[in-house]
Parts: sequence; C-alpha cells; structure tokens
Amino acid sequence: QQQVKQSPQSLIVQKGGIPIINCAYENTAFDYFPWYQQFPGKGPALLIAIRPDVSEKKEGRFTISFNKSAKQFSLHIMDSQPGDSATYFCAADSASKIIFGSGTRLSIRP
Amino acid sequence: NAGVTQTPKFRVLKTGQSMTLLCAQDMNHEYMYWYRQDPGMGLRLIHYSVGEGTTAKGEVPDGYNVSRLKKQNFLLGLESAAPSQTSVYFCASRPTRNTEAFFGQGTRLTVV
Repeated sequence: QQQVKQSPQSLIVQKGGIPIINCAYENTAFDYFPWYQQFPGKGPALLIAIRPDVSEKKEGRFTISFNKSAKQFSLHIMDSQPGDSATYFCAADSASKIIFGSGTRLSIRP
Repeated sequence: NAGVTQTPKFRVLKTGQSMTLLCAQDMNHEYMYWYRQDPGMGLRLIHYSVGEGTTAKGEVPDGYNVSRLKKQNFLLGLESAAPSQTSVYFCASRPTRNTEAFFGQGTRLTVV
C-alpha cells in the first residue's frame, strides 16, 4: 500500500521550461510535506517543505502548491536549468515517520 | 562537520551471510532512520528510532533488525541475507518530527 503516490516517474523538459511533479496522499494525519532532491551517488537533501495550513510556498525558483481538500501537492521549478537534473521525492510526515513517494527522474535538456 | 556517516559504502554478501550496517551522526539528533532505495520504488522505511534505546518498525521491516544503544549510532542488521535485500541503504537523522532530515551517502549492498 503506497501512502504517497508520485507522478510522473520520469520527466524531460527543455531549459527554461517549468517541470511539474505531482503527489497525492491518503492519510489525513500527515502534517508536514517536504520535497527532497537527489543527485546520482548522493543521499537525498531537503529542497523545500510546506505545512498543510499554507496553500503555496516559494523558495527561489522552487514552488510547492498544496491542496488540502484534494490531498494533493505539487512541485514547480521555474526557469529550469540543466543543473536541476536530478531525482525528486515528495514525502509526508506523520508523527515520527517520513513516508516518501516513488520519485521522479527529471532531465533538463540544454 | 561530518553529519551522517554510513559504514561500509559497498558490500557484497553471499546468501545466508549476516552483516551490520553502521550509521553515525554528530549532530545530537534524536530521530534516526533506515531506508532502502530500489529503482521505481523510492525510499522505503525499514526501521526508525526516536531516541536512544528506542526502535520501531517502518514499512518494510522483515529480515532486518536494528539497535540504538547510543544516541549517535543506529545499527541495521541482516541476520540471513537474501537476494531480495540487494539495494542501496540510506540512513538519516533529524532533531525531531517535522524538521529537515539529513541523509548519509548510502551503502550499496549486493546479495548473491
């Protein structure tokens, strides 16, 4: 049973485009929603996070949109760059556990 | 500042052998986690700990055991390795719930 569903599995975007990664959850006990970025051979690192009482959060070129009633949230990357090519994971935090989505492999073409 | 350090980085085991993966953090974090990463399946939680002397099961605990005897260390044990345990294992730590988790560099384990 996958508690956090993430799509798409892979995504190719031209430089300057706006990739969008979507996630959905079922457990209403989740109360913190981070996104992690992972480069090949490295561990994931926190990119941006949001709490359910906020509908949008921006940090630089990265934006999280959150729809509490639909139990969905998404990551947008503005003015994407080749250096943004990585695997992105959404996650949901409930009590002590962090549950991750299945990941999206993003490639930004020059 | 070392952060989260995993030992070893690579290991090949034969089916039925046992081993222990060590995770050490120097940030005085209470919470520690073990995940496995497999293609197309993301990061799946194996076991976690919310403080010294405590452990709890995650999503995929079968075949693994853990111990948190010291606050800074979290050990993951495989008593009888199986090919299905071939994976990349990540350890993470964080101060408390709803905060940033810091990950180690991973351990690539192959069971033949």
